Parts: sequence; structure tokens; C-alpha cells
Amino acid sequence: ELKVEQNPLFLSMQEGKNYTIYCNYSTTSDRLYWYRQDPGKSLESLFVLLSNGAVKQEGRLMASLDTKARLSTLHITAAVHDLSATYFCAVDMPAGGTSYGKLTFGQGTILTVHP
Amino acid sequence: NAGVTQTPKFQVLKTGQSMTLQCAQDMNHEYMSWYRQDPGMGLRLIHYSVGAGITDQGEVPNGYNVSRSTTEDFPLRLLSAAPSQTSVYFCASSSPGSPHTEAFFGQGTRLTVV
Repeated sequence: ELKVEQNPLFLSMQEGKNYTIYCNYSTTSDRLYWYRQDPGKSLESLFVLLSNGAVKQEGRLMASLDTKARLSTLHITAAVHDLSATYFCAVDMPAGGTSYGKLTFGQGTILTVHP
Repeated sequence: NAGVTQTPKFQVLKTGQSMTLQCAQDMNHEYMSWYRQDPGMGLRLIHYSVGAGITDQGEVPNGYNVSRSTTEDFPLRLLSAAPSQTSVYFCASSSPGSPHTEAFFGQGTRLTVV
């Protein structure tokens, strides 16, 4: 059974600081997603990581994937208040398998950025 | 461009009542799925479909039924609502073989069972 674990679950940051959210998963997979959710809203796709060593950046967020370690990271650089949200990682399928759109999610990391 | 549309947005049910949560997508996606979101547990898969006429169970299927008669629609039925089904429900769709493959989510249905 595929398990996905995020840490930390709660993250309180000061503006301008850097931090990393970690996403570990239990079964080899070569497809990982990061989503953002604002309170009361739907999930917004941030990054799609499709292979070992993949790195993607958008603004102050950078995501990477290490399939050998079964680890993805979401790095936040110089945080700003607008980044306050819940961040989820999700894994799609076993490596070399068929995707059926079945996602296994981590618990989510609630990020709060303080002035 | 509507994407994934869920109705209703909010619903209050009494224990034992039944209802159907609607989900429609206009992106011609083959894959559709239903998740429930509970605090501290992320999203958990209820049922999914890989095409019209084909559905299967996810991680937490008990108390829910689905069917998929068209590519566009994937309704979720609660047979006899229980307080444990109080949750936020999300429908998602995706397409196999697309370069990006990420799932697109509806706006969610917040369900309270009293």
C-alpha cells in the first residue's frame, strides 16, 4: 500500500526566511505532484515532477524529486505572506505502472507566514 | 472554460438521508475520481473511473456508490448518510498520456450530516 508522509504538518515562518517541506513516499514512483490549497478553496496545481532529479521553480517555490530516496522537497525562498496556504504532495502510480488518475496524498502542510 | 464543476457547494443532510453529489468536466478527460478531505488526513480516494462504464473502489468506498454513463459526468451517491460522512468532497479529472498529467479539481462540496 502506498503511503505518503509530509513534514512538518504545521509551519510558521517569518517573512523573508527560507524553509523546506518534505514529502516521503513508500513505494517507488516516478510521478509526484505538489498542490496548494487556500482556506475554503479547491486545489491548485503547483508542480508536476515526472522523473528522478526533476527540479522545477516558480517564483519563491522550488520543487525537486529524488525517486531513489523516495523523497520530494518543496523549498520556500524569502517567504511572503501571500504564500500562506496548505501545501499537499501527491503520488500517482508505481514506477513503470499505469496511471489511472488515482492520487495518494500526504497529510498536508499548513504554512503561515508572519510579517 | 469551466473545467471541473461540482454541485452543490454546500449541503446539510439528516442521518439516513440519501443524496447525489454531481461532478461534470468539459475537458474530455478519461479519468475521473472522488476524494474526501478531512482535517489532518489529506485527501483520500473514494472511487475512481477510467472511462465511461468503468469504475472501481478507492481507499474509502464504504457508504458511497458511483456510476459513469458518459465521459463528462461522474456522480457520487451517498446511500444512507452518516455523521462520519461529514467532510469536504472533491471531484477530479485527468487525461492519460498528457505531458502534464496533473489532476484538475472541482471547487468542492462541503457536506454536513446531522
